[in-house]
Amino acid sequence: GENVEQHPSTLSVQEGDSAVIKCTYSDSASNYFPWYKQELGKGPQLIIDIRSNVGEKKDQRIAVTLNKTAKHFSLHITETQPEDSAVYFCAASPRGSGYSTLTFGKGTMLLVSP
Amino acid sequence: DSGVTQTPKHLITATGQRVTLRCSPRSGDLSVYWYQQSLDQGLQFLIQYYNGEERAKGNILERFSAQQFPDLHSELNLSSLELGDSALYFCASSHFTLSGGDTQYFGPGTRLTVL
Repeated sequence: GENVEQHPSTLSVQEGDSAVIKCTYSDSASNYFPWYKQELGKGPQLIIDIRSNVGEKKDQRIAVTLNKTAKHFSLHITETQPEDSAVYFCAASPRGSGYSTLTFGKGTMLLVSP
Repeated sequence: DSGVTQTPKHLITATGQRVTLRCSPRSGDLSVYWYQQSLDQGLQFLIQYYNGEERAKGNILERFSAQQFPDLHSELNLSSLELGDSALYFCASSHFTLSGGDTQYFGPGTRLTVL
C-alpha cells in the first residue's frame, strides 16, 4: 500500500519568514495530494490540494509543488503569521476505480513566533 | 465549519465496554470516511461508505464496525474496548466520483478515552 513520509516533524520560524514542508510517497498510482491544517482540538481542515496533471498550485500565501518523477510534493507558506501555527498533514490518494481513501504523513508542527 | 457534524464530542468509558460514534456528512455528500488519530499512529483510515454500502476498508479492527443509514448519517461501533483504543475518531465526507481523488471534509472529531 501507499506510504507517505513527511519532514520535518517540527518547524519553528519567525513571523514573516517562509516555511516549507516536504512529503514523499511510494505508490506511483497516487494522483491526488491534499494538505490539511489541524489546530488544537479541531478536525483537519483542507488548505490546498493538487492533482497529478499540475506541477504547482498557489492560493494567496500558500503554494504546493508536485514532482511526480521523484514522487515528492511540498507545501510552501510565505509571510508566515502566528495564526499559521498548527499541525500540517500531507496526504496521498490513488486515483481511479473510485478509490478515494487518504494515506497521511505523520504531520509537521509549525510554530510561528511573533 | 466544514459542515460535517460528529457526536459526542467526548466519550469516557471503561475497558470491555461498547460505544457508538455518530457522524452526519455535509449536505449532498454521499460518501463517509472514518479515521482514527493517535499520537503514535497518526491519522489512519478505518473504513469508507458510499450511499449506504461499504466501499473500502483500511486498518479497522474486527472489534470495530460501521454502517451508513438511508439518510446518509454513519455510525462507528467500537466494542470490547481496550486502553489502546483511546484516540480521536474523525469522520470525513465527500461527494465522491468514480475517478477518485475526492476532496474530503473532516468533522470536529470524537475524543474517546478508555479507562
